[in-house]
Amino acid sequence: DAGITQSPRHKVTETGTPVTLRCHQTENHRYMYWYRQDPGHGLRLIHYSYGVKDTDKGEVSDGYSVSRSKTEDFLLTLESATSSQTSVYFCAISERGLEETQYFGPGTRLLVL
Amino acid sequence: GESVGLHLPTLSVQEGDNSIINCAYSNSASDYFIWYKQESGKGPQFIIDIRSNMDKRQGQRVTVLLNKTVKHLSLQIAATQPGDSAVYFCAESTKGGKLIFGQGTELSVKP
Repeated sequence: DAGITQSPRHKVTETGTPVTLRCHQTENHRYMYWYRQDPGHGLRLIHYSYGVKDTDKGEVSDGYSVSRSKTEDFLLTLESATSSQTSVYFCAISERGLEETQYFGPGTRLLVL
Repeated sequence: GESVGLHLPTLSVQEGDNSIINCAYSNSASDYFIWYKQESGKGPQFIIDIRSNMDKRQGQRVTVLLNKTVKHLSLQIAATQPGDSAVYFCAESTKGGKLIFGQGTELSVKP
């Protein structure tokens, strides 16, 4: 998984609770991404980062926020989890721009009850 | 090819046969393409890429073919093995754009 770890790997939470997912990379890549993967959809971009403290929204950013205080760490926060956010979340990294090859972490399976 | 609804298209092949997985991409301006493999419970894994100035690129047991005229990409896997069983999907991008991912095809290898 190209030096990418995600934690936790599995989480069950209740509607309305905050949840933070962590992505950690050892590749020193500039770009980091959060995707969600659901049946019937391809990978959908939630947020991405192009440097420390530099982030931007993807196509499905509502209900999510991110932070990147260090090159190696990218956090995804669900401020108040909803059942529609039940999904598998993948972190990815790339050395160059958004259009280039991305390498993915192992994923976090989140269930919101 | 790309999936419709919740069920991915499935390709079933015999071990040792060659597999061909197809992808129809959407944007005629796309100039970079990637094939990923995703095994059950794991993250997508990069297999091979190709830029629009090429028609064919070969890797270890895999070949990607690009037909820009009909916006079609294919992945050929030679001598398919049980370990090749996975979902395969393509991704496309334009310069300055973002990677757009297809939904994938499930490859099932029968021993």
